[in-house]
Amino acid sequence: KQEVTQIPAALSVPEGENLVLNCSFTDSAIYNLQWFRQDPGKGLTSLLLIQSSQREQTSGRLNASLDKSSGRSTLYIAASQPGDSATYLCAVSPMDSSYKLIFGSGTRLLVRP
Amino acid sequence: EAQVTQNPRYLITVTGKKLTVTCSQNMNHEYMSWYRQDPGLGLRQIYYSMNVEVTDKGDVPEGYKVSRKEKRNFPLILESPSPNQTSLYFCASSLMTGSDTQYFGPGTRLTVL
Repeated sequence: KQEVTQIPAALSVPEGENLVLNCSFTDSAIYNLQWFRQDPGKGLTSLLLIQSSQREQTSGRLNASLDKSSGRSTLYIAASQPGDSATYLCAVSPMDSSYKLIFGSGTRLLVRP
Repeated sequence: EAQVTQNPRYLITVTGKKLTVTCSQNMNHEYMSWYRQDPGLGLRQIYYSMNVEVTDKGDVPEGYKVSRKEKRNFPLILESPSPNQTSLYFCASSLMTGSDTQYFGPGTRLTVL
């Protein structure tokens, strides 16, 4: 059974730091991996989607990498800002069931001014 | 504006009183799904729908029903709510499957007394 883990559960950094959020999954047979942002009291916003055949995706200050064989993905945030404070979740779509999305528990990020 | 809407946003009810949470999307998406989010457990899929009149169970379907009579609407029905269904509920939609970019609604916070 696919399991998705995100470490650390919470992270606090000063503004301007570059930071890395980690996501690991137990079964490498995935269609893709998605990173989401969740602000308090709001829904999830899709940030990046990496297909299983890709190694990375970039959007602005965000860069997500995928190492399917080792079951790992990282979300790199460059020059962090207080507005980046949110919970970041990763989710995988299993190869044997593209109808499903399996989420990690998230990393709660606080960027201090 | 492309969006997924949910109603109500907040609901407090009592055990056994039937309720419906509505979900609607205006993007002509084929795929819709419901999740619940609980502290420490992350988001777990309740039901999903691949198209009109096509629905299937997710990981935690017990105590819930859904219907998909129109492409844009995917209501979640709790026939006899219990306190263990107190949670934050999200509806999501995507173009075709769970492996496509997901668009989430703002969430419904349900409390069952």
